[in-house]
Amino acid sequence: QSALTQPASVSGSPGQSITISCSGSSSDIGDYNFVSWYQQHPGKAPKLMIYDVSNRPAGVSNRFSGSKSGNTASLTISGLQAEDEADYYCTSYTSSSALWVFGGGTKLTVL
Amino acid sequence: EVHLLESGGGLVQPGGSLRLSCAASGFTFSSYAMSWVRQAPGKGLEWVSTISGSGATTYYADSVKGRFTISRDNSQNTIYVQMNSLRADDTAIYYCAKDLREFSSNSHDYWGQGTLVTVSS
Repeated sequence: QSALTQPASVSGSPGQSITISCSGSSSDIGDYNFVSWYQQHPGKAPKLMIYDVSNRPAGVSNRFSGSKSGNTASLTISGLQAEDEADYYCTSYTSSSALWVFGGGTKLTVL
Repeated sequence: EVHLLESGGGLVQPGGSLRLSCAASGFTFSSYAMSWVRQAPGKGLEWVSTISGSGATTYYADSVKGRFTISRDNSQNTIYVQMNSLRADDTAIYYCAKDLREFSSNSHDYWGQGTLVTVSS
């Protein structure tokens, strides 16, 4: 069981916006701004999409945005495109001995 | 251009050992923390271990603490993970990843292609 909780799947049509949630606790997301999001296509290595809650690395489309409220972080993808179909993982620093924890992942389907 | 190339994966019996390597190029290696992240077949990502840019500080997931040892050779731009007392649940693709910072932030902007470790008799 993952320390961070994500929905198993979300879907949307091209052009729409979707939001993926990542629920944690006051020991991780709630108390620290070290939340990152990764995109992973089948058979490929993960790709960093968001770091430090809401920062985008160079080269990542501004259609991807991150935010946090309380113990929950969110990844929003606007203007959905077919190539956005992938698995998405959140991760956060935790004050427990685990140090870094991942969510279980969310499969995004573009209809 | 940044490149990370893992090697050393393979089939090992339970209780056995394996050492993975990750050769890096295209950036100032000693300025960044480096990590190992694994993914069991059909499962999600799991952080395994991180080493700071200088190599002075290391971090481990509880699941591998006491069994895995991460190290780096900044003269060779390479990191390693020595994996001992391997168990079936260590079976996974092991990715080498570069951190955005000198110290661990779990924000990895470059990843290798991964190397498969299979623990089975």
